[in-house]
Amino acid sequence: DADVTQTPRNRITKTGKRIMLECSQTKGHDRMYWYRQDPGLGLRLIYYSFDVKDINKGEISDGYSVSRQAQAKFSLSLESAIPNQTALYFCATSSVGDNYGYTFGSGTRLTVV
Amino acid sequence: QKEVEQNSGPLSVPEGAIASLNCTYSDRVSQSFFWYRQYSGKSPELIMSIYSNGDKEDGRFTAQLNKASQYVSLLIRDSQPSDSATYLCAFGSGNTGKLIFGQGTTLQVKP
Repeated sequence: DADVTQTPRNRITKTGKRIMLECSQTKGHDRMYWYRQDPGLGLRLIYYSFDVKDINKGEISDGYSVSRQAQAKFSLSLESAIPNQTALYFCATSSVGDNYGYTFGSGTRLTVV
Repeated sequence: QKEVEQNSGPLSVPEGAIASLNCTYSDRVSQSFFWYRQYSGKSPELIMSIYSNGDKEDGRFTAQLNKASQYVSLLIRDSQPSDSATYLCAFGSGNTGKLIFGQGTTLQVKP
């Protein structure tokens, strides 16, 4: 099994729908992150969490919310999806012990129509 | 000034040649630097990390760090077509633990 698992792998949803992307990890890392990747724009940080009680906004948090249900689980929600949220979404984890090097999940390709 | 500068490419090299990828960064206090490889539609995969000035070698890959010049590079020796991918450099942002990513350099290795 993968160290960092994202579900679903692919999702097509309609404008205005609420959608949740889930991330779980077995690495025992305390830090978790959500990024989106768009062609030509690179990886952009949406939200990050350094532990269960610590949630922080990244550079593009508008229109998104997150929940850290446990050390191993970090979910990203789009409250009311819009077409420009169509992107590839990655969850990542890290820890001090790994000098902060990230381990990425396999990604969720989200299309909002 | 962008926090991380990478030439987007594409960088094209013939099979068997040395590919040289470069990255400059703006955070003078950063202590950790990483190179990730990303195939199209896939997630980034960590291939090298470096924390001290100088060179670090791992198989066909060599990472080079010069903190005074705020410069990190990745050399790929004996390039193979399977090395064709986008290479992202990243550095740790101060003491926050977050990584700041460059936009990536696309490498094409031609048989």
